[in-house]
Amino acid sequence: EVQLLESGGGLAQPGGSLRLSCAASGFTFSSYAMSWVRQAPGKGLEWVSAISGSTGYTNYADSVKGRFTISRDNSKDTLYLQMNSLRAEDTAFYYCAKAASGWSTYDIWGQGTMVTVSS
Amino acid sequence: DIQMTQSPSSLSASVGDRVSITCRASQSISFYLNWYQQKPGKAPNLLIYAASSLQSGVPSRFSGSGSGTDFTLTISSLQPEDFATYYCQQSYSTPPWTFGQGTKVEIK
Repeated sequence: EVQLLESGGGLAQPGGSLRLSCAASGFTFSSYAMSWVRQAPGKGLEWVSAISGSTGYTNYADSVKGRFTISRDNSKDTLYLQMNSLRAEDTAFYYCAKAASGWSTYDIWGQGTMVTVSS
Repeated sequence: DIQMTQSPSSLSASVGDRVSITCRASQSISFYLNWYQQKPGKAPNLLIYAASSLQSGVPSRFSGSGSGTDFTLTISSLQPEDFATYYCQQSYSTPPWTFGQGTKVEIK
């Protein structure tokens, strides 16, 4: 079964850091681009960051550029999101998502992990 | 950035109704438009990709149309399990790959 399982969410203080992980199974992880998409409570979906399958090429939304770093370990079938300098507006559910092809059509999503930034 | 605008923001409909949701892009995105369904407390689920292609496993009552800037998601006969929020997303060219604000389909 194709599956994505996020972890690492929780409570962080403004200015703090968190590292999210997304463990993949059931498909050849290194063959697909992956993304993080977030959703603030009661709000819509916001694309955050993407990484290519094997070259490690990355893209970021302006709202997180310079603060968040996406990475992947293809030997562990795991995607990461290092979040630094966290702000209250980063509070959201964070989903990892697999691209069906190319970069940005997402056919598999994880269940999400909640990040709360508050003092 | 490309802005995506959905209408309506919410609608009430009955089981068996034909329902249409529209999505407009701020510039031409050719056919690079996806539709997702999200139920409360769950992750989004891909319904339609490339404007009109039905994702595997999605019921045929869902269909998509459009190109350029104007797109439509149609549910031919609304079923109880279809009450959810629907999002369009443009997947054109370079990031950011933006989503519409969502359309909540509620029971009348």
